[in-house]
Amino acid sequence: DGGITQSPKYLFRKEGQNVTLSCEQNLNHDAMYWYRQDPGQGLRLIYYSQIVNDFQKGDIAEGYSVSREKKESFPLTVTSAQKNPTAFYLCASSMVYSNQPQHFGDGTRLSIL
Amino acid sequence: GQQLNQSPQSMFIQEGEDVSMNCTSSSIFNTWLWYKQDPGEGPVLLIALYKAGELTSNGRLTAQFGITRKDSFLNISASIPSDVGIYFCAGHGAGSYQLTFGKGTKLSVIP
Repeated sequence: DGGITQSPKYLFRKEGQNVTLSCEQNLNHDAMYWYRQDPGQGLRLIYYSQIVNDFQKGDIAEGYSVSREKKESFPLTVTSAQKNPTAFYLCASSMVYSNQPQHFGDGTRLSIL
Repeated sequence: GQQLNQSPQSMFIQEGEDVSMNCTSSSIFNTWLWYKQDPGEGPVLLIALYKAGELTSNGRLTAQFGITRKDSFLNISASIPSDVGIYFCAGHGAGSYQLTFGKGTKLSVIP
């Protein structure tokens, strides 16, 4: 089945540690996105990529980094510079330059140890 | 930037009741999308709307793209316990391929 796979489902970070969240899609979508969701909040855009080897900052990119070396993969690194990383992280993909909907993975919950 | 105002923020209803929620914007939108999110899961697309005035159903769910292109509503008829979750509206503003999201409506259904 086509879809978006995020891993791990739960992740714990120690102080000063970088952690990487995985996102893989087999929908043949060019565009991929990372969102952060806090309790009672909507989705806030961290980074997005419309093509391999290119990506743009979203509204809350500070303390995060991404790469897009393959069309299918868009990993997100939460760096030690992100002082409040505890949140639910969602990856999405869509056709590029299109009004077609974004499709989401099942999320990764990141917590601080 | 573009913003969506979604209301109500939360609602408690009795099983079997109908539900209505809406989303408004100060600017024109080209698409309206409605998603449902279960706890600990990612949002799932329920209905997509692409034309002003469009009315689309998906089972007990009905959504409409407002004629002014600045609002949309979602109705759920005869609610059941599995309707519990957070419902998000989202849309593409005029000239933009980025999605703007509402803050969600948390629905609780009392059996």
